[in-house]
Amino acid sequence: DQQVKQNSPSLSVQEGRISILNCDYTNSMFDYFLWYKKYPAEGPTFLISISSIKDKNEDGRFTVFLNKSAKHLSLHIVPSQPGDSAVYFCAVRSGNTPLVFGKGTRLSVIA
Amino acid sequence: DSGVTQTPKHLITATGQRVTLRCSPRSGDLSVYWYQQSLDQGLQFLIQYYNGEERAKGNILERFSAQQFPDLHSELNLSSLELGDSALYFCASSMGQGVEKLFFGSGTQLSVL
Repeated sequence: DQQVKQNSPSLSVQEGRISILNCDYTNSMFDYFLWYKKYPAEGPTFLISISSIKDKNEDGRFTVFLNKSAKHLSLHIVPSQPGDSAVYFCAVRSGNTPLVFGKGTRLSVIA
Repeated sequence: DSGVTQTPKHLITATGQRVTLRCSPRSGDLSVYWYQQSLDQGLQFLIQYYNGEERAKGNILERFSAQQFPDLHSELNLSSLELGDSALYFCASSMGQGVEKLFFGSGTQLSVL
């Protein structure tokens, strides 16, 4: 049973527009939420994170939103750039447990 | 460059065989994690070692085993290989036991024919 779901396998966005990637989780005990980005032939790299005591965290063009009541996490990229084209993984954690990852969403930013 | 080194990058073998994947963590990192990414699957956690000791176990098959050596490098041993074991195997490292920011290697692509 998947604890972390990224229901959109792929997303296509025009350059300059907003990209919104979504993630749902099942366990209310998760207290730390992260996004990782993966380019082909490379390992995932950390992008941004948020703890359960916050509902928003911003880092430049990237913002992560957390809705604990809905058990929903989203990543906003504004404005989207062609270099943002990659697979984005949502990951969650409870305490010191290892990260649990979703299946990923492939983002394509079209110039 | 994450600082995590995985070898080999590609491995092609036959069913029933045994292989060893190797990982060198970032300098100073004590934790090593192994993840498996199969087709259409996310990153599945296999096992974690911290400073030479097993810390957490995930969906790791009994045919698979791992260890972390005194120099902190880690090896993942996969035996009696099946076609379904074909996947991308990632190693990640972190400084502590429960640090959220993992640094991933570029992976070993295993193909079992």
